[in-house]
Amino acid sequence: AQKVTQAQTEISVVEKEDVTLDCVYETRDTTYYLFWYKQPPSGELVFLIRRNSFDEQNEISGRYSWNFQKSTSSFNFTITASQVVDSAVYFCALSEVRNTDKLIFGTGTRLQVFP
Amino acid sequence: ETGVTQSPTHLIKTRGQQVTLRCSSQSGHNTVSWYQQALGQGPQFIFQYYREEENGRGNFPPRFSGLQFPNYSSELNVNALELDDSALYLCASSRGLWDEQFFGPGTRLTVL
Repeated sequence: AQKVTQAQTEISVVEKEDVTLDCVYETRDTTYYLFWYKQPPSGELVFLIRRNSFDEQNEISGRYSWNFQKSTSSFNFTITASQVVDSAVYFCALSEVRNTDKLIFGTGTRLQVFP
Repeated sequence: ETGVTQSPTHLIKTRGQQVTLRCSSQSGHNTVSWYQQALGQGPQFIFQYYREEENGRGNFPPRFSGLQFPNYSSELNVNALELDDSALYLCASSRGLWDEQFFGPGTRLTVL
């Protein structure tokens, strides 16, 4: 069965700290996609990254980086030198190619960055 | 901004009523997906439309129905509203199947 687990419900950090958001997924499919979305208080989900199951290279985009490890079924997200504007709920999601093109979301991690 | 728009922004209905939510997809996108997000939860997939045909459905009862129009905009209809239908309804569009889904701002539905 497909499932996404974000065990961290809420994380609080002080500005400039680094923070890692964990994501563990379950799937029987060999071809799938993993995503991260950011949901600020306004409610709109903001797309951050999509990674396919055949590409395990880590990715860096500015202060954001992602670590994909198939061996542990994890797709973790790190924010370096966090800022107050990073405060939001972050969702990890899975999409299986042999299944309907639907996003299966985790329950989200609320990140609060204090000045 | 993603270019995906939804209307209305907020809506208050009473139990048993019917509601229609609307979504305009981003230019060049032919796929629209609808999600329901209850408070404090992750979004749950309702259904998806690809080139005007339903392309998959989540675990929602038949009183949740939808349409996609030739311009790829979409509607979500919910009949016989229940209190548990109170949620944020999100629409996402994509260029095609398994492409990145870009979300609209959502419609917050409250059922009293």
